[in-house]
Amino acid sequence: DIQMTQSPSTLSASVGDGVTITCRASQSVNDWLAWYRQRPGKAPELLIYKASSLESGVPSRFSGSGSETEFTLTITSLQPGDFATYHCQQYNSYPYTFGQGTKLEVK
Amino acid sequence: EVQLVESGGGLVQPGGSLRLSCVVSGFTFTNHWMHWVRQVPGKGLVWVSRIKSDGSAPAYADSVKGRFTISRDNAKNTLYLQMNSLRAEDTAVYYCIRDKGSSWYYDAFDIWGQGTMVTVSS
Repeated sequence: DIQMTQSPSTLSASVGDGVTITCRASQSVNDWLAWYRQRPGKAPELLIYKASSLESGVPSRFSGSGSETEFTLTITSLQPGDFATYHCQQYNSYPYTFGQGTKLEVK
Repeated sequence: EVQLVESGGGLVQPGGSLRLSCVVSGFTFTNHWMHWVRQVPGKGLVWVSRIKSDGSAPAYADSVKGRFTISRDNAKNTLYLQMNSLRAEDTAVYYCIRDKGSSWYYDAFDIWGQGTMVTVSS
C-alpha cells in the first residue's frame, strides 16, 4: 500500500495568515492527489483534485501543487471556517490511502 | 441539490451483521462510481470499498475483504454495504461517497454523505 505522510500534524495560525501543508507519498502517485477539508463533526469536502485543480465552488485562496511523491496545499488569507483538519489522499492505485491529517488551529 | 443520505448504522455485537444504505438524489447515479470510506472518531480516513457505475468490479480494503460486500441498485438510486462478521475494529463512521469521474474513468471524491455510525460492541 502507498503510505501518505502529512506535515505538520498540527499547525497554529491566525485569521488572515497564509499556511502550507505538505503531503509525501511512499511511491509515485503521478498527480492523482486530492486535498479535503473536514470541519468538526462534518464530512470532508473536496478542495483540490489532480494535485492542482481547484474544485468548483472552492475559493481561490486554496491552491495545490506537486507531482510524483511530494505535494503541497497552500491557503492564503485564512478565514474562520478554514480552521479544520486537512487530509490528502492518493487515488493512483488501490487501496486508496489518506494522510493522517493536519489540524489547523487558531493561534 | 446533490445529496447522499446514509442509513443503517447502529450498535451490533461482535460477529453480527449490518447493511448500510445510501440513497442518492440530484444527479445521474448511473454516471458515477461510488465508494465507502470509514473514520474512527478523532482519527484518519480509511477507504473501504468501491463499485463501478454498472455495478461491476467491486474492490475492497484488505481489512474487510471477504466480510463486506458492496452493491448498488441503479433503479433505486441506492448504494449498499453489507457488513458481516463484524469486529470491534470496524467501529467507525461510514461515509458514502460519489466519485467525481464518469462511468468510464475515476477521479477524486467530490460528494460525501453525512455519515452513519457503526458501533461493534458486546
